[in-house]
Amino acid sequence: EAGVVQSPRYKIIEKKQPVAFWCNPISGHNTLYWYLQNLGQGPELLIRYENEEAVDDSQLPKDRFSAERLKGVDSTLKIQPAELGDSAVYLCASSGPWGGEQFFGPGTRLTVL
Amino acid sequence: DQQVKQNSPSLSVQEGRISILNCDYTNSMFDYFLWYKKYPAEGPTFLISISSIKDKNEDGRFTVFLNKSAKHLSLHIVPSQPGDSAVYFCAASATGANSKLTFGKGITLSVRP
Repeated sequence: EAGVVQSPRYKIIEKKQPVAFWCNPISGHNTLYWYLQNLGQGPELLIRYENEEAVDDSQLPKDRFSAERLKGVDSTLKIQPAELGDSAVYLCASSGPWGGEQFFGPGTRLTVL
Repeated sequence: DQQVKQNSPSLSVQEGRISILNCDYTNSMFDYFLWYKKYPAEGPTFLISISSIKDKNEDGRFTVFLNKSAKHLSLHIVPSQPGDSAVYFCAASATGANSKLTFGKGITLSVRP
C-alpha cells in the first residue's frame, strides 16, 4: 500500500512569491491534515479536513495561507505571498474512518530567500 | 505555552541497554498519547500509543507508561539497537488519534554500537 505522497520535496523561492504544496493521502483515508514543522520543533497543525470539509483551520494564517481539498482526496496548500519566516517543513498526514493513527508523508522543505 | 514538553533534547545509550524517553504534559483534557519516530528527510512514523484509561502499553521492544496524576509518560526501548537512532516525538490529543495532535519538540536518541 502506498503511503502519503507529497510534492515537491524541496522548494526554494524568493520572498513575496507564491508557492503551492500538493498531498495525496493514503487510499481510503478520509481525514487529511497539514502540519508545519519549524526547525527544532514538533509539527503544529495548520488545518484538518474531513472529506472535503475543513473542520479545524483555527491555526491557519488566513491572510496568506489557503488550502483546498475539492474532491475529498488530494489537497493543495498555498502561501501567497511567502515571507522569510515561512521557511519550514510542511507535512501532510492522513487517517482512516476508523479513527486510527495519523500517517505522515515525507514533507516539503520550503526555503524562502 | 508548550502543552507537551520533552525537556531533554538528546539521549545517548549503549546498544543493548534500555532507552527511556520522557514526556510531560499540562493539559488535563488530553486523553490519548502517541510516540512518533522520525528519521532525517522523512516524515514522522507512528510507533506506539496509549489511552488514558491504561497505564501501560507494550509492543515488542517498546513500552509506553502513563502516569496521569503526574501528567507524565515515558517510552522504554529494550534492548536499544543502532537502528533506533532517530528523533522521537511525544504527541497528545484530547479527542482521539484522528484529531488535532499536539507535539513536543522531540528527543534525539543516539544508540552507540
